[in-house]
Amino acid sequence: RKEVEQDPGPFNVPEGATVAFNCTYSNSASQSFFWYRQDCRKEPKLLMSVYSSGNEDGRFTAQLNRASQYISLLIRDSKLSDSATYLCAEAYGGATNKLIFGTGTLLAVQP
Amino acid sequence: DTGVSQNPRHKITKRGQNVTFRCDPISEHNRLYWYRQTLGQGPEFLTYFQNEAQLEKSRLLSDRFSAERPKGSFSTLEIQRTEQGDSAMYLCASFPATGRGDNEQFFGPGTRLTVL
Repeated sequence: RKEVEQDPGPFNVPEGATVAFNCTYSNSASQSFFWYRQDCRKEPKLLMSVYSSGNEDGRFTAQLNRASQYISLLIRDSKLSDSATYLCAEAYGGATNKLIFGTGTLLAVQP
Repeated sequence: DTGVSQNPRHKITKRGQNVTFRCDPISEHNRLYWYRQTLGQGPEFLTYFQNEAQLEKSRLLSDRFSAERPKGSFSTLEIQRTEQGDSAMYLCASFPATGRGDNEQFFGPGTRLTVL
């Protein structure tokens, strides 16, 4: 089993829709989780950090469920510009803090 | 722009050649990470430095790969005798390790390697 798993998609949604992605992780001791956005052939860019009770930034909400070992990302009122790959990552290895990424979920927002 | 720069941005080489990539992290960040990303996959950890010390290497980092950070500032990643399987995006990430609890890593634009 992979350490971090995501549904690769693609998720095809109309503009204005609400879409949610889940990401499961296997290391129950992991403390920090992140959502990165990656555009085609570009580097990952940090979208949100997900700590303990989760957080919200505008149309984006991230949640952490430790009991079931998953994190989620909710995007409300989808825009065409939200089309990208969304990568979840856990910070692993204690002091090492290396990131373990999922394969990414491809989102395509359509007019 | 995160402040992390990588050069070159693209590299095309023939199998068997050596290549070297450079990463310049955010100046006050003492940690530097290298990742590799292939098509359809998330980035995979290769190695990391705390200042000039290389503290961990992944099993993905074969003997043909070597990384250095001689003065604790920029880092280089060298691949000797390249193979077609080395074709990937090589990403560098920078991290302040301030101990404040914020531990987001900031990625450079990557070097895309194509081995013919």
